[in-house]
Amino acid sequence: GENVGLHLPTLSVQEGDNSIINCAYSNSASDYFIWYKQESGKGPQFIIDIRSNMDKRQGQRVTVLLNKTVKHLSLQIAATQPGDSAVYFCAENKGNMLTFGGGTRLMVKP
Amino acid sequence: DTEVTQTPKHLVMGMTNKKSLKCEQHMGHRAMYWYKQKAKKPPELMFVYSYEKLSINESVPSRFSPECPNSSLLNLHLHALQPEDSALYLCASSQHRGNTEAFFGQGTRLTVV
Repeated sequence: GENVGLHLPTLSVQEGDNSIINCAYSNSASDYFIWYKQESGKGPQFIIDIRSNMDKRQGQRVTVLLNKTVKHLSLQIAATQPGDSAVYFCAENKGNMLTFGGGTRLMVKP
Repeated sequence: DTEVTQTPKHLVMGMTNKKSLKCEQHMGHRAMYWYKQKAKKPPELMFVYSYEKLSINESVPSRFSPECPNSSLLNLHLHALQPEDSALYLCASSQHRGNTEAFFGQGTRLTVV
């Protein structure tokens, strides 16, 4: 079936460096793609979304890129901080349903 | 108030027990959701309520029974669960169904023994 998945299960970066978390998707009919952050012991927290007809969207320290040609989504975090350590899920919104991908754990080294 | 509150935080129940999970939000959101999350896995959608009516049931077994008494409350009634139902149960809400910014509670950690 169609799904949203991730290339890397764990990403380790040095504090202050930029982080890039990747996600591959196979469902071309999604309306939106979204990134959520889940810290240990907490529920997922919305970070940023991108409409399917856009290729880039920027937020505060975060940028989401969408490449529809290769069905690839990425989350870039600038100047990664210890508080960014968490599991990051990509998700898609289609037919009013929010479906999550497999998750990447981001570890920030001091 | 941008919180979704879930109670209890932890629950241990036997396979013959009946228990309920509760979820509350006061953001005026009209869509509420139940998700199930196993360890190191993404949340999986179970149910969607839109304007207090069940709009999506993702083929969830009948031992899970959702209820939406009003626009602020969402319950999940549990009966005759199996050990494999042990998981983190997450409640979420959004302004309306399909809104990408869903607010999640911190979940109920359920253990079935």
